[in-house]
Amino acid sequence: ETGVTQTPRHLVMGMTNKKSLKCEQHLGHNAMYWYKQSAKKPLELMFVYSLEERVENNSVPSRFSPECPNSSHLFLHLHTLQPEDSALYLCASSQVFRGPYEQYFGPGTRLTVT
Amino acid sequence: KNEVEQSPQNLTAQEGEFITINCSYSVGISALHWLQQHPGGGIVSLFMLSSGKKKHGRLIATINIQEKHSSLHITASHPRDSAVYICAVRDPSNTGNQFYFGTGTSLTVIP
Repeated sequence: ETGVTQTPRHLVMGMTNKKSLKCEQHLGHNAMYWYKQSAKKPLELMFVYSLEERVENNSVPSRFSPECPNSSHLFLHLHTLQPEDSALYLCASSQVFRGPYEQYFGPGTRLTVT
Repeated sequence: KNEVEQSPQNLTAQEGEFITINCSYSVGISALHWLQQHPGGGIVSLFMLSSGKKKHGRLIATINIQEKHSSLHITASHPRDSAVYICAVRDPSNTGNQFYFGTGTSLTVIP
């Protein structure tokens, strides 16, 4: 138990569906992250929020839309996804964004797009 | 070419063996992390280091800043050590993307 929870753990969706992934951290951290992990590839940083403001958006397609309503919650809204978006989506948090602080990861959401 | 390279990609060991996983990186860093990912996906941070050596139980991590190389050692390996081990570095000069990750080393320890 790392103090970061993600729901759902598994999600199967069609290309025309709209769904959302949820992340919650109970660590009092100020930075939260979304990562994508595809098979045989390094983790890809998608979005970073620091103090509820988006600080990075690494050329992610607009069909992925993040939302950070407060420092404890992070959402990833999904719509009109493609089969190649099937992957493990990991949420993480750290004390602050800048500096060599450890990141604490959630268990991930395994997404399958059919 | 990835900024972080790990070797080997896959490793199978007998229980009790001493294991070494290597990580080389090509960027300047403020810290290097070793992460463990079990089947099912969850990632746990094992070590964060910027110099020297750290030890936690049967795990030892070392880093050589001049050579841009780090190693993760597991002594007296056990089947529960079976996981993917990921090396990640933080590059403070890159404001666009501060973390670089290796592709991971998949370790299987056989009883």
